[in-house]
Amino acid sequence: GNSVTQMEGPVTLSEEAFLTINCTYTATGYPSLFWYVQYPGEGLQLLLKATKADDKGSNKGFEATYRKETTSFHLEKGSVQVSDSAVYFCALRSLGGNDYKLSFGAGTTVTVRA
Amino acid sequence: KAGVTQTPRYLIKTRGQQVTLSCSPISGHRSVSWYQQTPGQGLQFLFEYFSETQRNKGNFPGRFSGRQFSNSRSEMNVSTLELGDSALYLCASSISGGSTDTQYFGPGTRLTVL
Repeated sequence: GNSVTQMEGPVTLSEEAFLTINCTYTATGYPSLFWYVQYPGEGLQLLLKATKADDKGSNKGFEATYRKETTSFHLEKGSVQVSDSAVYFCALRSLGGNDYKLSFGAGTTVTVRA
Repeated sequence: KAGVTQTPRYLIKTRGQQVTLSCSPISGHRSVSWYQQTPGQGLQFLFEYFSETQRNKGNFPGRFSGRQFSNSRSEMNVSTLELGDSALYLCASSISGGSTDTQYFGPGTRLTVL
């Protein structure tokens, strides 16, 4: 079955620091990969996605590259801000078959200090 | 374009009661999925509907059920509530539910079972 493993948190950083959150996956077929972010008291917002190998998703300074050879989709940001404090979820969805669900990682809580 | 809306936002019920949650997808979206989020289990898939048909179901007991109407709005019902059903219930919509489709999430319904 499909599964996602992401870096355990919590992660605490200072403003302008470099952020990386590791995500690896196991999937049948050719999955699409997503990063979602959840701010306190809110639902999930799509941060970025990649639908095929070597694709790079990017948004709001965040980037992640779909690496089929290492089954990874690590999230990076070069200079974080206090407003980036949130919980980040890596997720995948398989191509083909009848499995339409998103499979999520456990989430990584990121706190950025001023 | 309006986002995914969920009602009510907060609910308090007692054990043994039943509850119905509602989700209105983004206009034009025909796929609606439901997820349960708890601190212990993370994000777990409940079920997905497309054109009024349930296409996929997660590993939840039969007390959890759902339906979708012809206007794509969806409801989920939980009967005989248990304390462990306390969670944030998230609804997500996408155009067709394909693997490359982006799922857009609503703000969630926070259910507390006493």
